[in-house]
Parts: sequence; structure tokens; C-alpha cells
Amino acid sequence: DQQVKQNSPSLSVQEGRISILNCDYTNSMFDYFLWYKKYPAEGPTFLISISSIKDKNEDGRFTVFLNKSAKHLSLHIVPSQPGDSAVYFCAASVTGETSGSRLTFGEGTQLTVNP
Amino acid sequence: DAGVIQSPRHEVTEMGQEVTLRCKPISGHDYLFWYRQTMMRGLELLIYFNNNVPIDDSGMPEDRFSAKMPNASFSTLKIQPSEPRDSAVYFCASSTTGGRRQPQHFGDGTRLSIL
Repeated sequence: DQQVKQNSPSLSVQEGRISILNCDYTNSMFDYFLWYKKYPAEGPTFLISISSIKDKNEDGRFTVFLNKSAKHLSLHIVPSQPGDSAVYFCAASVTGETSGSRLTFGEGTQLTVNP
Repeated sequence: DAGVIQSPRHEVTEMGQEVTLRCKPISGHDYLFWYRQTMMRGLELLIYFNNNVPIDDSGMPEDRFSAKMPNASFSTLKIQPSEPRDSAVYFCASSTTGGRRQPQHFGDGTRLSIL
């Protein structure tokens, strides 16, 4: 019962173009969502988050969109850079649990940005 | 600032041996998490602690796995006896409450191979 799903194992884009990574969830109790980036042989690093009271959060080149009715979120990277090539994980959690606890992760999407 | 420190980075051992993975969280963080990443199951939470107390160990696969946090700056994950199916990358992460949701900070993981 995969509660957080990233259906695209990989995505390839050209440098300078937009990268869109998608994530779907099934648990309607999830109300806080995060994106992590992971390089080989390193741990995941936090990228951006969004609370369910918002539908958009922006941080520089990274924007996360949340569509609660569709139980869908996406991460937009504009413009994409070769250094963005990494595995991106979507994660979700539930309010009421202690802060930042019990993240449920998606399977990850390998983004490759070609020069 | 020092991040989450895990040791060893790599561990290769034979089936039946005891394995101990170590983690030093970021100073001041009061939450500590142990995750396991495999191809089949992705990144899954095994156990987490708050103020050195185990809060949720429902992700621990079986009695062969145990985790302790004797003080705020050290935690261990032990597997005894180890089996080939335990081969995975094990991540430790820490976070702080800080009055609002704070992201988890991950170590670089321990790649465990059980022969």
C-alpha cells in the first residue's frame, strides 16, 4: 500500500528548460509535503516543503504546487541546470504527529539535466 | 556546521554476524530517525526517537533489529544475527521541533552488505 507514489522513475530535460516532477498520494490525512534531493553516495537533502493550507510555495528556481482535491503535488525547477541532476523524493506527513516525524517517501525520480 | 554523522560508511560482513551502525545527530536536535533504503521498498522509516526515547518502532522489520539512543548525541542500530536480505543503505536523520515543522537532516548513510 504505497501511500506516496512517484510514477516516473526517470526524467530527462535540457539545460535551461523546465523540469516537472510529479507525486501522488492516497492518504487524505497527509497535510505537509516535502521534496528531497539525493546525490549518489549521499543522504537526501531537504529542498522545499508545502503545507496543505497553501497551493504553492516558491524558493528561487524551485516551486512546489499542491492540488489537494487531486491528491497531487509537483515540483517545478526553472531553469534546470546540470547540477540539478539527482534523485528527487517526495515525502508526506500528518499533523498531530510530532513535528517532522514519520515521513512517508515516494520511490524517487531520477532527474537528468543535459547540457 | 557538522551534519548528521554515520559510521561506518560501508560494512561488509557474513551472514549470522552482529552488525552495529552508529549515528551522531546534529547538536540540539531532539528527534532522531533510522531509515532503510532498498530497491524493493524504497526509503522506509524503521524507528524514531524523541529526546532519546523511542516513539515509534513499528517499522522495525523483526526482532533481529534493535535501536538505542543512550544520550542526545549518539544512537545505534543493531542487527543480530544479520541475514543477506538485510543488505541495504541505512540512513540516520535528525530534526528539531522549533515550534513548527522542521525538515529532517540526513546523514550520508551506511551501505551494508551481508554475504
